[in-house]
Amino acid sequence: QVQLQESGPGLVKPSQTLSLTCTVSGGSISSGDYYWSWIRQPPGKGLEWIGYVYYNGNSYFNPSLRSRVTMSVDTSQNQFSLKLSSVTAADTAVYYCAREEIMRNWFDPWGQGTLVTVSS
Amino acid sequence: QSVLTQPPSVSGAPGQRVTISCTGSSSNIGAGYNLHWYQQLPGTAPKLLIYGYSNRPSGVPDRFSGSKSGTSASLAITGLQAEDEADYYCQSFDSTLRVFGGGTKLTVL
Repeated sequence: QVQLQESGPGLVKPSQTLSLTCTVSGGSISSGDYYWSWIRQPPGKGLEWIGYVYYNGNSYFNPSLRSRVTMSVDTSQNQFSLKLSSVTAADTAVYYCAREEIMRNWFDPWGQGTLVTVSS
Repeated sequence: QSVLTQPPSVSGAPGQRVTISCTGSSSNIGAGYNLHWYQQLPGTAPKLLIYGYSNRPSGVPDRFSGSKSGTSASLAITGLQAEDEADYYCQSFDSTLRVFGGGTKLTVL
């Protein structure tokens, strides 16, 4: 059973870069059948898809965040990562990593989520 | 404002049936893309509840069902239980984007 776990700092200063890692266990990130996605949820609000990275490094991002987002994959560690630059308070959210099945476009499973607060 | 529109809240008494709607458009549901539903219990991550409009992953009770009509979809929950109190989100594909509904809070009275 595949499990995902987010990790990274819970507090980031405004204008700095948010960095998170998702560790995949119980399955290989190198499977060509899946995209590896990041989704966020501001406190008390709905879900926003940030983007995905494929095992070969190809990626695609939500246009609303594209200029600030970088994603990468480390197949040797079975991990993928998110970097979001020039953060503001509006980027405060619970960040989830999730697996998306290609051609079916549903997200399953999800990590437990990690709260990142942007504050000085 | 979400591309997929859901009612902010619904409620029902234990044992009752409730439905949650998800209204899309010709660029998502109407374009033939699949629609999925997630359940988010308080303080937890969303969990896949229904995929492809009406399919239940293993372990999801058959009290949960989904359907499609035109550019809308619906989630029905029968035999409502206290443990069903949660936020429910629909999700689809719009052009090249993955999009979510704004979420519906289900209150079990």
